[in-house]
Amino acid sequence: DTAVSQTPKYLVTQMGNDKSIKCEQNLGHDTMYWYKQDSKKFLKIMFSYNNKELIINETVPNRFSPKSPDKAHLNLHINSLELGDSAVYFCASSQVGNGYTFGSGTRLTVV
Amino acid sequence: QQPVQSPQAVILREGEDAVINCSSSKALYSVHWYRQKHGEAPVFLMILLKGGEQKGHEKISASFNEKKQQSSLYLTASQLSYSGTYFCGTEITGNTPLVFGKGTRLSVIA
Repeated sequence: DTAVSQTPKYLVTQMGNDKSIKCEQNLGHDTMYWYKQDSKKFLKIMFSYNNKELIINETVPNRFSPKSPDKAHLNLHINSLELGDSAVYFCASSQVGNGYTFGSGTRLTVV
Repeated sequence: QQPVQSPQAVILREGEDAVINCSSSKALYSVHWYRQKHGEAPVFLMILLKGGEQKGHEKISASFNEKKQQSSLYLTASQLSYSGTYFCGTEITGNTPLVFGKGTRLSVIA
């Protein structure tokens, strides 16, 4: 069983469209995250979320919004996609004091 | 604030050793180390919590100097499978998300 699964794996879309990326974890972890990895391989935190608190990186445009229907899911919704949004997006989960488990990533290409 | 990693890249021959450093300007709760191979997700290697501990994982070990807010990853007798980009990630508290360094690209050649 995949511990952290993301769908889709690849996403190609036009500028201005709205898209969502889904993430599910079956590890029972309390906290989930979204990271963006750009072409220079820099991993940038976008959001972290547990049952009690949503932490938003203040540099993330408000076109990006996390949606968590339950503890095991943290989806990423993106409005009005721009060329600069092209990147690989990783979902991850963890428990306090332990390492992060990453999903396999979603490669988003905006054309 | 983003931790600083060094070196940016290193090339090793099989069997050689390497050290990757990670430093922060802030007091840290923990330091994590991950390896990412091309086209794959980062994979957790180890976590070091404040307390100046040293941990090991096969021939890969790490130390954390809490006073200097520095961590080092030690790779001994490198193997071809060690190739990849190594990231350190730092936590200010146990409830803040990891902030990653820019990574160190390690290439092991035969």
